[in-house]
Amino acid sequence: DTGVSQNPRHKITKRGQNVTFRCDPISEHNRLYWYRQTLGQGPEFLTYFQNEAQLEKSRLLSDRFSAERPKGSFSTLEIQRTEQGDSAMYLCASSHSGGGNYGYTFGSGTRLTVV
Amino acid sequence: AQKVTQAQTEISVVEKEDVTLDCVYETRDTTYYLFWYKQPPSGELVFLIRRNSFDEQNEISGRYSWNFQKSTSSFNFTITASQVVDSAVYFCALSESLTQGGSEKLVFGKGTKLTVNP
Repeated sequence: DTGVSQNPRHKITKRGQNVTFRCDPISEHNRLYWYRQTLGQGPEFLTYFQNEAQLEKSRLLSDRFSAERPKGSFSTLEIQRTEQGDSAMYLCASSHSGGGNYGYTFGSGTRLTVV
Repeated sequence: AQKVTQAQTEISVVEKEDVTLDCVYETRDTTYYLFWYKQPPSGELVFLIRRNSFDEQNEISGRYSWNFQKSTSSFNFTITASQVVDSAVYFCALSESLTQGGSEKLVFGKGTKLTVNP
């Protein structure tokens, strides 16, 4: 297993367009997390899946954001009607249940620039 | 609510100096985990260490060492004989324990940017 994979690495989009990011977690990890990191800040939690169930969403996740994890494998994060404030690095992480005890593996992130 | 404070925004040292990165956390959980991650310019978060709240033993790994003190809610990170390759942003993070019934999401500090000059 090569770790957590995120695609694309970079995305430049015009304001108002929709974008979708993909995360492929480590295959045996049943937990998947999305975080957003803006310049000069630490990553902030967006949402969490256990298998295919989305169990927690941050208040940062406005109704323009939607995430899915069909069949408990890869996950997608879609942003509709992008705004300049959405420009950030979007990070995906995966872990076993009991993530605190086993740790979390992060992907390299998708850097979104909204122009 | 959980909170992690990294008061040092940026630190600059000369190669071979020792440097300590501070981390102070807040949580009402009795069981929790503390982490340090390194983020080089390429952007990925590299795991350095994980500590659970019941294990206050200090840890040393090569040039890296960590000092966990529950009495002061601190989990400080020291790099001995720093090298240019240590230049990166370092994040301290906290997660609740699974037994609390939560997602175990990580709460990060704002990070400390370390620059090691030759």
